[in-house]
Amino acid sequence: GENVEQHPSTLSVQEGDSAVIKCTYSDSASNYFPWYKQELGKGPQLIIDIRSNVGEKKDQRIAVTLNKTAKHFSLHITETQPEDSAVYFCAASPSNDYKLSFGAGTTVTVRA
Amino acid sequence: DTAVSQTPKYLVTQMGNDKSIKCEQNLGHDTMYWYKQDSKKFLKIMFSYNNKELIINETVPNRFSPKSPDKAHLNLHINSLELGDSAVYFCASSQVTGALGEQYFGPGTRLTVT
Repeated sequence: GENVEQHPSTLSVQEGDSAVIKCTYSDSASNYFPWYKQELGKGPQLIIDIRSNVGEKKDQRIAVTLNKTAKHFSLHITETQPEDSAVYFCAASPSNDYKLSFGAGTTVTVRA
Repeated sequence: DTAVSQTPKYLVTQMGNDKSIKCEQNLGHDTMYWYKQDSKKFLKIMFSYNNKELIINETVPNRFSPKSPDKAHLNLHINSLELGDSAVYFCASSQVTGALGEQYFGPGTRLTVT
């Protein structure tokens, strides 16, 4: 099955700086890579996703890059704000599978 | 307006008891899921139903039994609760069959077994 590794496990950044979270996956058949944000006491919420036919996707201050050859993908948050503080999860899924395999999560703290 | 709702939000019970968690979605989605999030925040799929049919059944003790009376509801029943069952359980739903679309998560049910 798919195995997703996520780094770092914790990340502290100064407000206004950028944050980068990196994930690697094991199954070359994976072609869907979402990122979820989980705020304290809430369920995860999709913030951006990318499919294997695209190398990069951007949505305002959030961007995701995908390198299928190296089997890794990254989340970039620019101009971080206090409300970006949360746990972020990457995930991967092969096209012939019904399930998402999640990374272990990154706790991001934005210092004011 | 709640998209995916779960009841109860908190559940405290003793070892050996049987308990149920209920989930409902009003998004018209065909697929629903149960996830377990442990104390280290790790999210693991447990079950998935598509149009009331079980399509994912991970390595979960058979004390856990999902039931889907209709495609808007997916309940989780747990028999003979153990200390290790303590976790947050999330229900989710998605429109696209499989994992190729956004999953909408409920607020979670924090289960504490004493």
